Amino acid sequence: QSVLTQPPSVSAAPGQKVTISCSGSSSNIGDNYVSWYQHLPGTAPKLLIHENKKRPSGIPDRFSGSKSGTSATLGITGLQTGDEADYYCGTWDTSLSAGVFGTGTKVTVL
Amino acid sequence: QVQLQESGPGLVKPSGTLSLTCAVSGGSISGTYWWSWVRQPPGKGLEWIGEIYHNGRTNYNPSLKSRVTISVDKSQNQFSLKLNSVTAADTAVYYCARSPVLRSYGTDVWGQGTTVTVSS
Repeated sequence: QSVLTQPPSVSAAPGQKVTISCSGSSSNIGDNYVSWYQHLPGTAPKLLIHENKKRPSGIPDRFSGSKSGTSATLGITGLQTGDEADYYCGTWDTSLSAGVFGTGTKVTVL
Repeated sequence: QVQLQESGPGLVKPSGTLSLTCAVSGGSISGTYWWSWVRQPPGKGLEWIGEIYHNGRTNYNPSLKSRVTISVDKSQNQFSLKLNSVTAADTAVYYCARSPVLRSYGTDVWGQGTTVTVSS
């Protein structure tokens, strides 16, 4: 159902780095800015990245974002146990005139 | 600091109408923001439902458009969601959220979510 595709899961040891990909199309990622969200089940999703690579106030620089063409990537360095959560990319789809989210990626700290 | 709080019945019968309200506090609903609804079915990802601007302009998820109505009540500083003809597939945690009108800024404020179960 989601128009943005993410890997189901990624994992790494504490202190290491993970990257999460988000693949879309010319009508969504290719035409609009991408945001990234951290979501712990039962809590409100949290905005981590907006405008492809900008961090809201209070988000540590361990979190980074990038975009190229119709794909985007979230990077997390210095992995901590508190980073275990689900991560979603999101953007606007110009053709659908609707918001879209990625399929979600579960980050596990080994 | 703007805060959002969802409210509404936690149980809805199949074929009935799901109705939720999101109260906005700490700021005006008439600001330059889109006010949206997002849901997460059990074990699944986030799904964008739709959004409304304070002037009443709406955008809906095409897959839900025939069943969804989002409205705004500026006098009460709140907005609402109605989803008709619900089935078990509509069981989910429903979140209300805010996005600056420049969509590039993402969805920056979220409610805590409310669980809605569709069951007889």
